[in-house]
Amino acid sequence: AQKITQTQPGMFVQEKEAVTLDCTYDTSDPSYGLFWYKQPSSGEMIFLIYQGSYDQQNATEGRYSLNFQKARKSANLVISASQLGDSAMYFCAMVGFYNYGQNFVFGPGTRLSVLP
Amino acid sequence: NAGVTQTPKFQVLKTGQSMTLQCAQDMNHNSMYWYRQDPGMGLRLIYYSASEGTTDKGEVPNGYNVSRLNKREFSLRLESAAPSQTSVYFCASSGQGYYGYTFGSGTRLTVV
Repeated sequence: AQKITQTQPGMFVQEKEAVTLDCTYDTSDPSYGLFWYKQPSSGEMIFLIYQGSYDQQNATEGRYSLNFQKARKSANLVISASQLGDSAMYFCAMVGFYNYGQNFVFGPGTRLSVLP
Repeated sequence: NAGVTQTPKFQVLKTGQSMTLQCAQDMNHNSMYWYRQDPGMGLRLIYYSASEGTTDKGEVPNGYNVSRLNKREFSLRLESAAPSQTSVYFCASSGQGYYGYTFGSGTRLTVV
């Protein structure tokens, strides 16, 4: 079975500083994808960044980067230069491409609060 | 706008009532999903449909049924609602590759 673990229920960061949100995963699927989603208080799920298991380089999307360590099965999200609008819930998710019919598995989430 | 459309956005049911949550996507995606989100638990997969004509159980299927009506539409039915089904429900769809994972805006369901 696939599993996502996010060990930080809540995080605080000062505006303009960087923050790392932790994510570890477990899967027996040889090919998989890792995702981060942001859920603001309005409730929608916003895609942030994707990392494929065979990608050689860590993914980056603007202020978001994914620190992918395959051997450790970790996929931490790094947000640089935090902004007040980054305050939200953040979910790590994965999908196994071969064995699990492309269904997502989500972690419990981390609530990030950016302080002015 | 292209995307995933869920209806209704809000619903209150009495215990034992039935209802169907509707979901439609206009991106020609093959796969569609229903998730529920409870406080502190992230999203949990209820059912998914890898392609038109197929459906499979996810992590928490009990108390729900689904219908993949056609490629565009995937509905979720609660036959006899229970307070434990109070949650926010998300529909999602995916096409080829990762970039196809798109979520609807959610349905907030309260069962009293």
